[in-house]
Amino acid sequence: NAGVTQTPKFQVLKTGQSMTLQCAQDMNHNSMYWYRQDPGMGLRLIYYSASEGTTDKGEVPNGYNVSRLNKREFSLRLESAAPSQTSVYFCASWGLAGRSYNEQFFGPGTRLTVL
Amino acid sequence: EDQVTQSPEALRLQEGESSSLNCSYTVSGLRGLFWYRQDPGKGPEFLFTLYSAGEEKEKERLKATLTKKESFLHITAPKPEDSATYLCAVKGNTGKLIFGQGTTLQVKP
Repeated sequence: NAGVTQTPKFQVLKTGQSMTLQCAQDMNHNSMYWYRQDPGMGLRLIYYSASEGTTDKGEVPNGYNVSRLNKREFSLRLESAAPSQTSVYFCASWGLAGRSYNEQFFGPGTRLTVL
Repeated sequence: EDQVTQSPEALRLQEGESSSLNCSYTVSGLRGLFWYRQDPGKGPEFLFTLYSAGEEKEKERLKATLTKKESFLHITAPKPEDSATYLCAVKGNTGKLIFGQGTTLQVKP
């Protein structure tokens, strides 16, 4: 199993450009999440999806949109990038994976710079 | 409002020098407290889940404990490979994970 995968790993955008961050998981988990991580701020939840077909706002949703394409895939879109969106973005899923309890699994991250 | 505070922000230890990391929390209806390890340039990696006060879990040189207000991650005789950022998070009635800012641990040989 690959776990949680994210593409791209790195991206540089100019202010006003748009892009979509892709995320996929192969653990058959219902719940998926998008976080951003900034120095001194910890991980902050942007959006989450409790199940296929549903999405909800997290702590910092402004400037972002998401799509839960199917059970495996959850994408994050920046419609008009701003320098304040420079960050490391992590996708995660929640569920079982060989153990008797639920846990959250994270992808490797996307490092985004907006100039 | 659910909140998590970790201390210290950074910790430098000599190899073999045991210490503890603190995670203080306030949450409405604790449904779990989680510890993660994060290496530079990588995503967080799950370490432990604690569900109730008094619970303890161990893994190699790490031991996590939980009270009603805080959790400790005890590191016994650390090695340089234990150097990483350790993240604490809580899950309450909202169902969402709230993370602390992390403690960056450096273990020198």
